[in-house]
Amino acid sequence: QVQLVESGGDLVKPGGSLRLSCAASGFAVSDYYMSWIRQAPGKGLEWVSYITRSDTEMYYADSVKGRFTVSRDNSKNSLYLQINSLRAEDTAVYYCARSRLGLDIWGQGTMVTVSS
Amino acid sequence: EIVLTQSPGTLSLSPGERATLSCRASQSVPRNYLAWYQQKPGQAPRLLIYGASSRATGIPDRFSGSGSGTDFTLTLSRLEPEDFAVYYCHQYERPPWTFGQGTKVEIK
Repeated sequence: QVQLVESGGDLVKPGGSLRLSCAASGFAVSDYYMSWIRQAPGKGLEWVSYITRSDTEMYYADSVKGRFTVSRDNSKNSLYLQINSLRAEDTAVYYCARSRLGLDIWGQGTMVTVSS
Repeated sequence: EIVLTQSPGTLSLSPGERATLSCRASQSVPRNYLAWYQQKPGQAPRLLIYGASSRATGIPDRFSGSGSGTDFTLTLSRLEPEDFAVYYCHQYERPPWTFGQGTKVEIK
């Protein structure tokens, strides 16, 4: 079964760090562009980052550039998002998604809450 | 950055009616790399349409996409009870990828 399962969300203080994970099954993450998208409570979708198949290129939204880092471990068939210098406005559900002719497979999301 | 503006913000319709959702881009979307998603409360988004007009796997044919360049449309030919949700357009040709702000289709 093709699916993505995110984990790692938590309540953290401003300035803190987190590492989100996204485990894939039913396909190889190495074969696809993979993305992170977030959704603040009651708000719309915001694209965060994507990584290309070859890992040679990573792109980020301006709102997270310099603080977030996307990576992939093909041996674990997983995608990661390292989030540093967290701000209140980073509070959101974070989704990973497979990028193939649009974002065709999504995980269920993991909640990140930034609050003191 | 390609800004996507969806209209209307909310559409109030009855089951069986036709829904027409608009997505306008601030500049042409190359190769029509424009997708539509449906999201229900508490769920992840689901891909409906990619490439502006191609239905994703398992999507009923009452959903159709059209348009090119800067103007795109998602049409639901006959609303079923399960179609009441929020719909987002998304351009994925060049970074930063962007989403529209969403259109809520609610029961009248």
